[in-house]
Amino acid sequence: KQEVTQIPAALSVPEGENLVLNCSFTDSAIYNLQWFRQDPGKGLTSLLLIQSSQREQTSGRLNASLDKSSGRSTLYIAASQPGDSATYLCAVCRGNAGGTSYGKLTFGQGTILTVHP
Amino acid sequence: DAGVTQSPTHLIKTRGQQVTLRCSPKSGHDTVSWYQQALGQGPQFIFQYYEEEERQRGNFPDRFSGHQFPNYSSELNVNALLLGDSALYLCASSFDFRVSTDTQYFGPGTRLTVL
Repeated sequence: KQEVTQIPAALSVPEGENLVLNCSFTDSAIYNLQWFRQDPGKGLTSLLLIQSSQREQTSGRLNASLDKSSGRSTLYIAASQPGDSATYLCAVCRGNAGGTSYGKLTFGQGTILTVHP
Repeated sequence: DAGVTQSPTHLIKTRGQQVTLRCSPKSGHDTVSWYQQALGQGPQFIFQYYEEEERQRGNFPDRFSGHQFPNYSSELNVNALLLGDSALYLCASSFDFRVSTDTQYFGPGTRLTVL
């Protein structure tokens, strides 16, 4: 059974800092890994998707890395801003024997990020 | 282009009642998945619908059931509500879950409170 853990559970930083959020998973047979952002009481917004064959993906100030062998992913946020304050969720999509996926996501519990002005 | 929409936004029910939640997928998407998110937790997969059939199911009791219509919209039904069913229910749609670059798009959710 896939288990996803995110560390830290909460993080508070001053504006402008670079920061790293961590995600670990127990089953390396993943199809892809996604990072999502969730604002309070809202739905999820996809930030980055890394395919199992990739090592990293970048979008603006965000960079996500993937190390399947160690079961880890990190989300790096450069020059943080107050608008980055949200919960960040890591989700793993498991592969199947046919080399594709069933599309089921297993989520971590999230990291609550607060960026102070 | 409308994204994933869900209705209603909020719902209050009492124990033992039944509830139906609705979801319309993003235009061009034919797969709908439902997730339950308890307060302070990550979403938990309930089930997935594709071609009007339930294709996968998470660890949820039979009280949770669903349906997908020919226009790809979907319903989630929960019978005999328990206090523990209080949560944010999220609907996600995707274009082709068998493709490694397939991104799931989530709706704003329905907040269910069971009293």
